[in-house]
Amino acid sequence: EAGVAQSPRYKIIEKRQSVAFWCNPISGHATLYWYQQILGQGPKLLIQFQNNGVVDDSQLPKDRFSAERLKGVDSTLKIQPAKLEDSAVYLCASSSARGLHEQYFGPGTRLTVT
Amino acid sequence: GQQLNQSPQSMFIQEGEDVSMNCTSSSIFNTWLWYKQDPGEGPVLLIALYKAGELTSNGRLTAQFGITRKDSFLNISASIPSDVGIYFCAGAYNFNKFYFGSGTKLNVKP
Repeated sequence: EAGVAQSPRYKIIEKRQSVAFWCNPISGHATLYWYQQILGQGPKLLIQFQNNGVVDDSQLPKDRFSAERLKGVDSTLKIQPAKLEDSAVYLCASSSARGLHEQYFGPGTRLTVT
Repeated sequence: GQQLNQSPQSMFIQEGEDVSMNCTSSSIFNTWLWYKQDPGEGPVLLIALYKAGELTSNGRLTAQFGITRKDSFLNISASIPSDVGIYFCAGAYNFNKFYFGSGTKLNVKP
């Protein structure tokens, strides 16, 4: 079974630029999560989708971050415009059902904002 | 947001030793997960716990869901060099949003 795929693996941009990350969850997983992991910290949930609907986006900085999962499969997370403090690893995870919350993570995208 | 306190922050142990780490929350959780993260990779799920008092093993790893539902413990027996990495706990209530601890960095000396 293929794992969670993410791209790109690394991205370097200047502040005020835009960037987008892509995630393809494990096949059949209805729930998809985007996390931000700052160096030395644990992952922090940004947004959670159930199929193509948003379950929780309370910690998503909506003035600059957006995410979509249009067909209930893959997802895109965008930052526009980026700030220095957005430098982090962006992790995507998926799980199979609301009652079984074993999340499986992708390798992450390491973003550096200069 | 929810605060999870994970301790210790880091550990230096000798190969063959047993390891214990824990995670505490100010609120009740109904799910605890334990992950290991290697450099440059995403966290990998080790053990999932769903009931207070539950004790679950995965090879040399054993995790327990505390009876107060505010804590969880992970033990690694007979550590080996490949156990090196960062171990994260994650907790959730209402089977929804997960909160992660700040991690325990494990170093194993051969």
